[in-house]
Amino acid sequence: GAVVSQHPSRVICKSGTSVKIECRSLDFQATTMFWYRQFPKQSLMLMATSNEGSKATYEQGVEKDKFLINHASLTLSTLTVTSAHPEDSSFYICSARIHSGNTIYFGEGSWLTVV
Amino acid sequence: QKEVEQNSGPLSVPEGAIASLNCTYSDRGSQSFFWYRQYSGKSPELIMSIYSNGDKEDGRFTAQLNKASQYVSLLIRDSQPSDSATYLCAVNGGDAGGTSYGKLTFGQGTILTVHP
Repeated sequence: GAVVSQHPSRVICKSGTSVKIECRSLDFQATTMFWYRQFPKQSLMLMATSNEGSKATYEQGVEKDKFLINHASLTLSTLTVTSAHPEDSSFYICSARIHSGNTIYFGEGSWLTVV
Repeated sequence: QKEVEQNSGPLSVPEGAIASLNCTYSDRGSQSFFWYRQYSGKSPELIMSIYSNGDKEDGRFTAQLNKASQYVSLLIRDSQPSDSATYLCAVNGGDAGGTSYGKLTFGQGTILTVHP
């Protein structure tokens, strides 16, 4: 079964609203999690690195005030898309690095559709 | 800007043939290299990781790394229709266990179709 769980797997929201996506590591602690975005027929693009107990590090061009990341525990990181617009519609995928290790697990991904 | 380039596809091979996927990267300091398989609408699945120059074999898959040429490849032997997917090359600049490990730059992907 999945070792990194994302929820929801699919979500539809209205333009201008906010939506939260959870990334949860199962059976292991993840001090670092990563959030990616994948538009149709494109590759994964790293959005941000999420570290437990500290502020996320965002990649160039990613608006930190629009994509709020919280990593409050060693097993949970959340991505909140604020004031969503149709162009934010995408496949959002998280990955988790096992604490003090070199194994990376990807979540199942979350499809966001903004209407 | 770190870049990862994959050979343009799509790639179509007959069942039982060898599929060859190629990838080049721009950051000479990259240390960790991965091949992922992604089915349509799904999250990537790790096929192989490779850290040292040379070949690494796992079942029907062989990854090859040449850091001097900044080149990494994946060979799939005895290709099966179930291998049909998009293959993503990913590069991590950090050492395994280092603080930046897991921060991956992906190539654009190569679509592989294995026809019966």
